Amino acid sequence: GAVVSQHPSWVICKSGTSVKIECRSLDFQATTMFWYRQFPKQSLMLMATSNEGSKATYEQGVEKDKFLINHASLTLSTLTVTSAHPEDSSFYICSANLQGFSYEQYFGPGTRLTVT
Amino acid sequence: SQKIEQNSEALNIQEGKTATLTCNYTNYSPAYLQWYRQDPGRGPVFLLLIRENEKEKRKERLKVTFDTTLKQSLFHITASQPADSATYLCALNTGTASKLTFGTGTRLQVTL
Repeated sequence: GAVVSQHPSWVICKSGTSVKIECRSLDFQATTMFWYRQFPKQSLMLMATSNEGSKATYEQGVEKDKFLINHASLTLSTLTVTSAHPEDSSFYICSANLQGFSYEQYFGPGTRLTVT
Repeated sequence: SQKIEQNSEALNIQEGKTATLTCNYTNYSPAYLQWYRQDPGRGPVFLLLIRENEKEKRKERLKVTFDTTLKQSLFHITASQPADSATYLCALNTGTASKLTFGTGTRLQVTL
């Protein structure tokens, strides 16, 4: 149980275009999902907390107008990287926890974004 | 803000030995401390969670200790196997209980 999927697993886009990444909880409902970014040989950095039916909460230094998050249902959150630049190239990972049960998080397999 | 340090960037041990990884944090003690495993190009996988009022937690060959006085957690893998080779991440619940802050990670390599 507690499986999280992400789509796509990798994407290459041109500078200036937008890219949407989907995060789905497959066998449970997730009122809260989290989006992380991970650069090579670095740890995970939390970008934002996505709440179903309300606005996302962004961490300090993360541009909310650049990284649009939509949590439209209890099983789907999306991250859209708008006007992507090469410095946005990174590994993006989402996670969710079983609300009300415990605090461990279940992670998706990640999306490798390369902006050329 | 909370700072989390893991003992070394890389740790090499021989198969069958016990691997011990360290996680040190500054500032306040979290309510929960967690350990995750991450393989290259993959998302982290949850291993163990220990609460602030627990000294030790075990799961099969894994053992975690939590010392709030030292502000330190130790993660042990006994009878290590090459399949245990991965990066291990320490994470703390900070602020809002469900948010996690991750450490820098320790890359474990188990050789034959």
